[in-house]
Amino acid sequence: EDQVTQSPEALRLQEGESSSLNCSYTVSGLRGLFWYRQDPGKGPEFLFTLYSAGEEKEKERLKATLTKKESFLHITAPKPEDSATYLCAVQANFNKFYFGSGTKLNVKP
Amino acid sequence: DGGITQSPKYLFRKEGQNVTLSCEQNLNHDAMYWYRQDPGQGLRLIYYSQIVNDFQKGDIAEGYSVSREKKESFPLTVTSAQKNPTAFYLCASSMTSVAYEQYFGPGTRLTVT
Repeated sequence: EDQVTQSPEALRLQEGESSSLNCSYTVSGLRGLFWYRQDPGKGPEFLFTLYSAGEEKEKERLKATLTKKESFLHITAPKPEDSATYLCAVQANFNKFYFGSGTKLNVKP
Repeated sequence: DGGITQSPKYLFRKEGQNVTLSCEQNLNHDAMYWYRQDPGQGLRLIYYSQIVNDFQKGDIAEGYSVSREKKESFPLTVTSAQKNPTAFYLCASSMTSVAYEQYFGPGTRLTVT
């Protein structure tokens, strides 16, 4: 069964305390893996697309990596404004999209 | 500014009434999508359209209907047949439906009592 699992469900960090969020997937024929940030009551904001194992993308304090079974979103020296829910999505064969349920990140000053 | 607009932001309806949620995009994207988001759950796909006058059911299409008469517009009707319509509804678009990121609108929160 195709599915996407994100962990942890919630993560609390002190400002400056680096960590990683995980997105593991089991799908038939990966076409792309996408990371989004979602603030409460708003639509998800696109962050990264990864297409193949070994690929990495960076943006400010965020870095996304991809292996054959999972992706990590590394957050380096986070700030309170990085607090949000981070969503992972996978596109598989037949153009099906699967979303994880997200990791809610809270960065304390 | 290019983007996706959804209206209204909040919508209240009585049980038994149909309601239509608006979604417009000026990104010149071919593909458009409707998702439903419930607390603690991932986004679930309701319908998607890859081209004008064509659309396909997603995982939870029962009780919903859509139309795609124009490239820019993809309205969603929540019918009285939808058993649990109260939710946060998100519209998205992408350049095509294959291996391109989706861009989301701000969402419509529908409450049915």
